[in-house]
Amino acid sequence: GAGVSQSPRYKVAKRGQDVALRCDPISGHVSLFWYQQALGQGPEFLTYFQNEAQLDKSGLPSDRFFAERPEGSVSTLKIQRTQQEDSAVYLCASSKQGREQYFGPGTRLTVT
Amino acid sequence: AQTVTQSQPEMSVQEAETVTLSCTYDTSENNYYLFWYKQPPSRQMILVIRQEAYKQQNATENRFSVNFQKAAKSFSLKISDSQLGDTAMYFCAFIISNAGGTSYGKLTFGQGTILTVHP
Repeated sequence: GAGVSQSPRYKVAKRGQDVALRCDPISGHVSLFWYQQALGQGPEFLTYFQNEAQLDKSGLPSDRFFAERPEGSVSTLKIQRTQQEDSAVYLCASSKQGREQYFGPGTRLTVT
Repeated sequence: AQTVTQSQPEMSVQEAETVTLSCTYDTSENNYYLFWYKQPPSRQMILVIRQEAYKQQNATENRFSVNFQKAAKSFSLKISDSQLGDTAMYFCAFIISNAGGTSYGKLTFGQGTILTVHP
């Protein structure tokens, strides 16, 4: 079946703009995760959904970051008033509860 | 808090040879899973191998095997018969599970090891 997909693959935003990043998980996967990966570093956890419930948002770096998954499938990560330090690759992963996490290709965000 | 440490920023190996990547972790939990993920330059993160902490037998997956030392909190990856396609960044990662084996919550990753396989 299809894997995790993310769009857009690349996004360039001017500082201060809002951006929205989309994640389509593998069908049937109840858990969905967002990670932020700086260049040359390991991914850092941002937030976690089980179905439509956001169970952990402890990794969101500021209140400019917001994630939703209203129908328990597609998720959107929104960043308001982007800053240069937001430049990173944003990875989405999904899993059946209790199984491995499968990652999408990521969205590379560059804030200029 | 859980931490994962990969002490080798870069490694290189000749094609067809064997290489071992190191990983140590720290946790007070007794039930967890450990993973090695591969991230080629295209950036798609791919699961290489998984180890359940309650299993003493080391996991193997074709040319990939692990040496899991629970008491030492060590989890190394051995790649045998290295191939050019193994060139990638490798991440060690950790997730807590419950006593029934269900994992939940976030993956905690190490800093990664860049592996280059030379022809």
